Amino acid sequence: NFMLTQPHSVSESPGKTVTISCTRSSGSIASNYVQWYQQRPGSSPTTVIYEDNQRPSGVPDRFSGSIDSSSNSASLTISGLKTEDEADYYCQSYDSSNHWVFGGGTKLTVL
Amino acid sequence: EVQLVESGGGLVQPGRSLRLSCAASGFTFDDYAMHWVRQAPGKGLEWVSGISWNSGSIGYADSVKGRFTISRDNAKNSLYLQMNSLRAEDTALYYCAKGYGDRLGDAFDIWGQGTMVTVSS
Repeated sequence: NFMLTQPHSVSESPGKTVTISCTRSSGSIASNYVQWYQQRPGSSPTTVIYEDNQRPSGVPDRFSGSIDSSSNSASLTISGLKTEDEADYYCQSYDSSNHWVFGGGTKLTVL
Repeated sequence: EVQLVESGGGLVQPGRSLRLSCAASGFTFDDYAMHWVRQAPGKGLEWVSGISWNSGSIGYADSVKGRFTISRDNAKNSLYLQMNSLRAEDTALYYCAKGYGDRLGDAFDIWGQGTMVTVSS
């Protein structure tokens, strides 16, 4: 199995752009899709990006996802930050041996 | 409206068993894979187990393999998690999650509100 490593926390000001990284420990980041979930305090997770860069309906286009094979990582970018974006963000990918892996989560503070 | 409602959580002693249920509504249940994900207090998300639409593919996290059993009843639109030999480290909020498709490897799109399991003497 592989691991997904995220920064513990990031912070940025309203209106700015922030990028959260997710690095895969072994195997290619491109071999399985990466998802991103947002979890606001006291709430269940919701999907903000699936299949590397797809946005579910209802998720604003301020949210975008990408993968970079050179760094073996995925990224979630949020532009035009709003205070409502303050939450924990988790990346996730599938290990083809019928296992799913989550990153440790990144706490986004919008200050 | 797509809805997942978990139940069955509670306080249980170490070594005992508990069965969680997830009632699904608002979608064709047997078209989708389903999962259990847990979150210990103050910690991150941990995938526990998943099952494909027809129960043909099942997976477990190493931390629960041999102790937990996932199952589904498509006629009742329900997902289950039988948890045996519970340990203190199984204490968590357990979420039910729906897949985007029918395979175990399809991403998750809808999550329930969770049911809390506390393992303590």
